[in-house]
Amino acid sequence: GAVVSQHPSRVICKSGTSVKIECRSLDFQATTMFWYRQFPKQSLMLMATSNEGSKATYEQGVEKDKFLINHASLTLSTLTVTSAHPEDSSFYICSARALTGTYNEQFFGPGTRLTVL
Amino acid sequence: DAKTTQPTSMDCAEGRAANLPCNHSTISGNEYVYWYRQIHSQGPQYIIHGLKNNETNEMASLIITEDRKSSTLILPHATLRDTAVYYCIVKTGSTLGRLYFGRGTQLTVWP
Repeated sequence: GAVVSQHPSRVICKSGTSVKIECRSLDFQATTMFWYRQFPKQSLMLMATSNEGSKATYEQGVEKDKFLINHASLTLSTLTVTSAHPEDSSFYICSARALTGTYNEQFFGPGTRLTVL
Repeated sequence: DAKTTQPTSMDCAEGRAANLPCNHSTISGNEYVYWYRQIHSQGPQYIIHGLKNNETNEMASLIITEDRKSSTLILPHATLRDTAVYYCIVKTGSTLGRLYFGRGTQLTVWP
């Protein structure tokens, strides 16, 4: 199946700093990429949807100025957590949907564990 | 918004079939039923999806009732590596469709 990678897999940062997470579709072109967040023992929560070359669409309650999303190409999207605080510590997972294909399956990355001290 | 109901947890013996139910009584005519699973601390993995016909692939079978209000994911010969949280999600097939995850079913396969 299609492969989605994320970098870094794990990051620890100090409160107030910004952290950038990359999401790449390795063997397919993604029309749309999605960013999710998952707190311990909870389900995945969709944060935002981004299409290549256009602004991201954020879910209700997600601060667009805090979670900056850039979808610069059909294979790369980045999520920047600005001025991170301990409550932003979470598992961030990206997902990509193929440009072609009958069924528009989404493929998920392995996730990035963010810990804010 | 999750539009499905799944049991919180299920157990299954290794080598036996695991049957995971899902209720989606408010499903619309243009919505598909998707199944994903998430092994601990990993990203979700696509399993299978269907509209109204039963589907089978190398991982699992999906049985959808005739009224489409419920479905069952079948893992024919469960292994220890199938221990995961299984998510049943309804989504339109259009490019606007998004995957909203509910709480899923924690399947534990024991030896």
